[in-house]
Amino acid sequence: GAGVSQSPSNKVTEKGKDVELRCDPISGHTALYWYRQSLGQGLEFLIYFQGNSAPDKSGLPSDRFSAERTGGSVSTLTIQRTQQEDSAVYLCASSLAGQRNTEAFFGQGTRLTVV
Amino acid sequence: AQSVTQLGSHVSVSEGALVLLRCNYSSSVPPYLFWYVQYPNQGLQLLLKYTTGATLVKGINGFEAEFKKSETSFHLTKPSAHMSDAAEYFCAVSGVHGANSKLTFGKGITLSVRP
Repeated sequence: GAGVSQSPSNKVTEKGKDVELRCDPISGHTALYWYRQSLGQGLEFLIYFQGNSAPDKSGLPSDRFSAERTGGSVSTLTIQRTQQEDSAVYLCASSLAGQRNTEAFFGQGTRLTVV
Repeated sequence: AQSVTQLGSHVSVSEGALVLLRCNYSSSVPPYLFWYVQYPNQGLQLLLKYTTGATLVKGINGFEAEFKKSETSFHLTKPSAHMSDAAEYFCAVSGVHGANSKLTFGKGITLSVRP
């Protein structure tokens, strides 16, 4: 596709359940980012993948959060044993990181509601 | 390490008035600087960016920003606000290579435009 695609667009889950959020980046983009946007918190960095390098996981808030990127393309963010404070919009972005005119393109996000 | 400060969370201007949204950054490496806009229930869209060269950068929708290294600032301006400018605005900083190339965002500023 032409842009960053995220699925599902909305997810309602019960507290304690695991969820998987998917991101399809723009083809050829080597960098992929996950951010969390919750009310009053702005855009919180979660994790960053760049090519074949080890991901930067410094933003993951707890060990319940993990992410992987298979084949340098699609990424999945997994939240285990969800809590109500995990409710937020999860945004994915991709870019040609390291290029002078790079720009990060964002998906529409997945709105996660934990009830 | 990089950080972005956007003072205040909300700015209100009259239609036709000057828009000024402030952004200060901290970076241990030469920065790339960005302004993104988020309209209600939409993803983030790049307004403009500074990488190298001319310090006054023009973006979409009549916005511009000036990189001032001595002040570590990248304030966003528009001479005349339009009702359609009402949105949330995020300033972001990145480096170029490796771990520095991830985007770090400020907390965002909500712009309201009064008729």
